[in-house]
Amino acid sequence: AQSVAQPEDQVNVAEGNPLTVKCTYSVSGNPYLFWYVQYPNRGLQFLLKYITGDNLVKGSYGFEAEFNKSQTSFHLKKPSALVSDSALYFCAVRDQAGAGSYQLTFGKGTKLSVIP
Amino acid sequence: ETGVTQSPTHLIKTRGQQVTLRCSSQSGHNTVSWYQQALGQGPQFIFQYYREEENGRGNFPPRFSGLQFPNYSSELNVNALELDDSALYLCASSLYSNEQFFGPGTRLTVL
Repeated sequence: AQSVAQPEDQVNVAEGNPLTVKCTYSVSGNPYLFWYVQYPNRGLQFLLKYITGDNLVKGSYGFEAEFNKSQTSFHLKKPSALVSDSALYFCAVRDQAGAGSYQLTFGKGTKLSVIP
Repeated sequence: ETGVTQSPTHLIKTRGQQVTLRCSSQSGHNTVSWYQQALGQGPQFIFQYYREEENGRGNFPPRFSGLQFPNYSSELNVNALELDDSALYLCASSLYSNEQFFGPGTRLTVL
């Protein structure tokens, strides 16, 4: 079975400061990892993914994520936070070896608040 | 915005009723997945359709069923609605195993 943990329900950061949203995962094989963002009353918006290759993945809106296999982590980062980054962030995982289903397993989400 | 659309936007039903939710995939996508997102939780996988057949199912009872049509659009049907079925239902489309793109969701309230 695959699982995702987002240990922080909420992260507060001052505008202009760097931000980190944490994610750890568990899969039986090699992972596909994703970050999505959700604004109020909206669906999920794709930010970035890790499939293979470089451990530092760059995505939309200046976000990036670092894959760490030994720590089974995939933390989301941004060098300088904007107030408009305030939203709910979800980490998701899929087992590359999972034949047939492309089921994503999501964490519970982390609410990011960027303070002006 | 993605090219995934869902209807209706909101829906109110009573316990025991049946509901059908609809999803149109993004152009070029052939796989549709459905998720249930309860308040304050992450999305939970219901099932996925590929080539008009169910291609995987999460831990949901058989009263949750679906269809995929030749144009890759999809329906989610829920029979015998329960109060706990109140949630945001998200449809996501993808091309095979690539990243999934989500629609805006349908907010279902069961009274």
